[in-house]
Amino acid sequence: SAVISQKPSRDICQRGTSLTIQCQVDSQVTMMFWYRQQPGQSLTLIATANQGSEATYESGFVIDKFPISRPNLTFSTLTVSNMSPEDSSIYLCSVGQLYNEQFFGPGTRLTVL
Amino acid sequence: QKEVEQNSGPLSVPEGAIASLNCTYSDRGSQSFFWYRQYSGKSPELIMSIYSNGDKEDGRFTAQLNKASQYVSLLIRDSQPSDSATYLCAVKNYNTDKLIFGTGTRLQVFP
Repeated sequence: SAVISQKPSRDICQRGTSLTIQCQVDSQVTMMFWYRQQPGQSLTLIATANQGSEATYESGFVIDKFPISRPNLTFSTLTVSNMSPEDSSIYLCSVGQLYNEQFFGPGTRLTVL
Repeated sequence: QKEVEQNSGPLSVPEGAIASLNCTYSDRGSQSFFWYRQYSGKSPELIMSIYSNGDKEDGRFTAQLNKASQYVSLLIRDSQPSDSATYLCAVKNYNTDKLIFGTGTRLQVFP
């Protein structure tokens, strides 16, 4: 499986600020996804990061709040904008080839004060 | 009805026993099925995938799929305390290529 890294691994931020999370893969992958896992909850898909085009967002998630970039087949960023304490969560990058297994990065633990 | 349902547990089994984890799903178009293990504070780790009806074995793990009943299970033989974790069932439909997760079952293996 691909080796996936995320930066930062954790951060504590003030409300109203923004944080950009980076996801780097050691090989080219077709699909990259961003998930959120709130405390004690399962994983919720935020969006699919499409290379060369806009991300595809799930219901309840919007581009203004969670802008995503995917400049190439090994890298993506997720920005959490205008943060509030409700955004405190673990944010996970996931990668896979079309129709195949998905693997997860180590996650970014975000706390908003 | 949730798309992927799991009993949240905790499921407590003694060391050496068989742990049986179950999952049902609602989308009959689901074609790929996965089990992830998640230790506290860590990200999900893929442990099994299954695509056709029947059993698939990998070491101490056996995944079972019954598409007619929309049911997938994971058996862990000779359970060890190190197996204590939350096990997430996930299903994928090729039309959307999205992975939908259940809420997870917490497994506790006691010595």
